[in-house]
Amino acid sequence: GAVVSQHPSRVICKSGTSVKIECRSLDFQATTMFWYRQFPKQSLMLMATSNEGSKATYEQGVEKDKFLINHASLTLSTLTVTSAHPEDSSFYICSALKGPNQPQHFGDGTRLSIL
Amino acid sequence: EDQVTQSPEALRLQEGESSSLNCSYTVSGLRGLFWYRQDPGKGPEFLFTLYSAGEEKEKERLKATLTKKESFLHITAPKPEDSATYLCAVQSDSNYQLIWGAGTKLIIKP
Repeated sequence: GAVVSQHPSRVICKSGTSVKIECRSLDFQATTMFWYRQFPKQSLMLMATSNEGSKATYEQGVEKDKFLINHASLTLSTLTVTSAHPEDSSFYICSALKGPNQPQHFGDGTRLSIL
Repeated sequence: EDQVTQSPEALRLQEGESSSLNCSYTVSGLRGLFWYRQDPGKGPEFLFTLYSAGEEKEKERLKATLTKKESFLHITAPKPEDSATYLCAVQSDSNYQLIWGAGTKLIIKP
């Protein structure tokens, strides 16, 4: 069964709205979670690395004030897309790391559509 | 620069027709190579981790192998339900981030 839960699976909202996406590890504690963005027919693009209890590390070109990440517990990380605009429409996927030398386990993604 | 290249971009096979997908990589120090399967509108599903050259892993109709430069995902007698995009990623020994290939879209026709 799924080991990482991501919610919601789909969001459609108006431009200017802020959207929060949750990523939960279901049966393990994840000190590190990752947030990705995926464009159609392309591979995953890492946005940021989320570490429990500390600030997220953002990849080059990703606006930290636009994409707020909170990793407040060992089983939950959230991504908030602030004041979303149509160009933010995409497929956002989170993953969680069970431990060193372990594979990342992914949520089922969130399809975000900004009108 | 660390890099992962997958080929072919897309592969169409008849049901039962065996083939292989390639993942070529360059990385300063390999911690692990990962294969994932991704269905449309879903997150990637973990298949295998390979850590060292010569290692092989199998799961049902899939077998993954690893050399110092590349990995192959062999699919034997595939079925339509094996249709998906197969993603390869490497992890360097300097951090936990994954370097992703662009994927191979596999279509198995009945």
